[in-house]
Amino acid sequence: GAGVSQSPRYKVTKRGQDVALRCDPISGHVSLYWYRQALGQGPEFLTYFNYEAQQDKSGLPNDRFSAERPEGSISTLTIQRTEQRDSAMYRCASSLTPQLAGGPPDTQYFGPGTRLTVL
Amino acid sequence: AQRVTQPEKLLSVFKGAPVELKCNYSYSGSPELFWYVQYSRQRLQLLLRHISRESIKGFTADLNKGETSFHLKKPFAQEEDSAMYYCALRDANSGYALNFGKGTSLLVTP
Repeated sequence: GAGVSQSPRYKVTKRGQDVALRCDPISGHVSLYWYRQALGQGPEFLTYFNYEAQQDKSGLPNDRFSAERPEGSISTLTIQRTEQRDSAMYRCASSLTPQLAGGPPDTQYFGPGTRLTVL
Repeated sequence: AQRVTQPEKLLSVFKGAPVELKCNYSYSGSPELFWYVQYSRQRLQLLLRHISRESIKGFTADLNKGETSFHLKKPFAQEEDSAMYYCALRDANSGYALNFGKGTSLLVTP
């Protein structure tokens, strides 16, 4: 079946513009995660959804970043008033079951990522 | 605070040689550790997890709580093993977030 898809794959924008990054998880996957990966670094957790509920947004760097998943499927990560330091690979992942503290880990399946460049 | 350290940015070995990708962690609790791999022009994918105690593509990793390590090993490297490898620790307190190391680029040369 189809894996996690993300669009656009590449986005170049000017400083100050807003961008919206889309993630389409594997069909039926309950949990959805956003990560950001700067050059030379590993992915860094941003936020997490179970169904449509945003369970944790503690990893979002500041209030210019927001995410939603209104129908419990597709998610959008929005960055307002982009800055050059926002340039990175933005990765989305999904897993089949809700992840609970102390529960067994479910495999997170990653999308291809969106490469964001802010000029 | 939890942290994952991969001390080698780049590791180059000859085909057929043993390979060990190092991963050390700091975590106050029972860690859950993973190795993810990204081949050229492909997406990040799970290679193995410590709770499964499995061998994937000839790779194994043993959790050593005394040394707080989860090194990835393969006795005979193949050219197709060339990729970026990330060690990750799951935050069991939250149940979901993965904390990744910076990654090690493995190059296997003929």
